[in-house]
Amino acid sequence: AQTVTQSQPEMSVQEAETVTLSCTYDTSESDYYLFWYKQPPSRQMILVIRQEAYKQQNATENRFSVNFQKAAKSFSLKISDSQLGDAAMYFCAYIPPGDKIIFGKGTRLHILP
Amino acid sequence: GAGVSQSPRYKVAKRGQDVALRCDPISGHVSLFWYQQALGQGPEFLTYFQNEAQLDKSGLPSDRFFAERPEGSVSTLKIQRTQQEDSAVYLCASSSWAAGETDTQYFGPGTRLTVL
Repeated sequence: AQTVTQSQPEMSVQEAETVTLSCTYDTSESDYYLFWYKQPPSRQMILVIRQEAYKQQNATENRFSVNFQKAAKSFSLKISDSQLGDAAMYFCAYIPPGDKIIFGKGTRLHILP
Repeated sequence: GAGVSQSPRYKVAKRGQDVALRCDPISGHVSLFWYQQALGQGPEFLTYFQNEAQLDKSGLPSDRFFAERPEGSVSTLKIQRTQQEDSAVYLCASSSWAAGETDTQYFGPGTRLTVL
């Protein structure tokens, strides 16, 4: 079965510091998409970053970057210069081609002022 | 519109009542998805539409759940004879087939359903 595992239910980071959220997944597919979504307390799920499995280059979006290790089936999210507005639940998600999205259970990130 | 919208944002129902939850996807988005999110959990897939065709309803938990998208735009998720275990946030998402956007889903704010 295809699964997404986020092993850190909660994490805290000091404002302006860097934090890495981990995600591993299990699949036999070679082509797929990976995502990180952010869900603040307001509940709107916001796309943070997207990675196509066929691309070796790690995706980056401003302060957000990923470390995609395809062989290890690992997809961690690094947040640099953490800001108070980064506090949220972060969900790792996986989509095999033409199939439904599978979410991890999430990591709650706290930003300490 | 600029994003996916859902209504109502909050719904309280008495056990046994029927409810209807509405989703307005991003204009032009072909694909529409419904998810159920329990407190403290990730969203769980319910059903998927491509235009007006419901291509996958494998996630619907029972035959009390029904979804439709008759004109390929707005979608309604209906829950009949609601039970307490139906209490959750129901999320809608849509995606485009534009190059570079395939499989990227954009989510609405959700409807929080509480069944008493």
